[in-house]
Amino acid sequence: DGGITQSPKYLFRKEGQNVTLSCEQNLNHDAMYWYRQDPGQGLRLIYYSQIVNDFQKGDIAEGYSVSREKKESFPLTVTSAQKNPTAFYLCASSIDHGGTEAFFGQGTRLTVV
Amino acid sequence: GEDVEQSLFLSVREGDSSVINCTYTDSSSTYLYWYKQEPGAGLQLLTYIFSNMDMKQDQRLTVLLNKKDKHLSLRIADTQTGDSAIYFCAETDQTGANNLFFGTGTRLTVIP
Repeated sequence: DGGITQSPKYLFRKEGQNVTLSCEQNLNHDAMYWYRQDPGQGLRLIYYSQIVNDFQKGDIAEGYSVSREKKESFPLTVTSAQKNPTAFYLCASSIDHGGTEAFFGQGTRLTVV
Repeated sequence: GEDVEQSLFLSVREGDSSVINCTYTDSSSTYLYWYKQEPGAGLQLLTYIFSNMDMKQDQRLTVLLNKKDKHLSLRIADTQTGDSAIYFCAETDQTGANNLFFGTGTRLTVIP
């Protein structure tokens, strides 16, 4: 079955540690996105990638980094520079950038203690 | 910049109609979207409307678009307990990046 997979579903890390969230898709989509979701707020865009080996900062990129070495994969690293990293992180993909439908993964809930 | 606003909460009784409202600022958005998020899960596209339309119906869902007032609504007929979720309105960012810009989400609770 085609889809977009995030792992792990829950992640706990100590303050000051970097952590990498995985996102894989087998939909052959060119575009991939990372969003952060906090209670009472909409989704905020962290980074997006329109094509392999290219990515752009979204609205809240500070403290995060990404790579897009393969079409299928768009991992997100939450660095120690991110001041408030505890959140629900959602990865999405679309057939191309600005495509009609974005497909979302099930999310990763990151808790930093 | 874009600003998409929604009420945070809505409660309805099972069998009644639900109306979820959204206001947006960017009148040049080509598409406007409704996404549904069930607890602990990602978002799922419910429906979308092209900006030159004023209404779209899909089974129990009706989307109304008032471009003059920049108001979008989602009506769910015969609301069921399985409709309990968070509903997000979204528009496309017209700054050139063409990204989706989401509202805060409306948490719909259906009371049996």
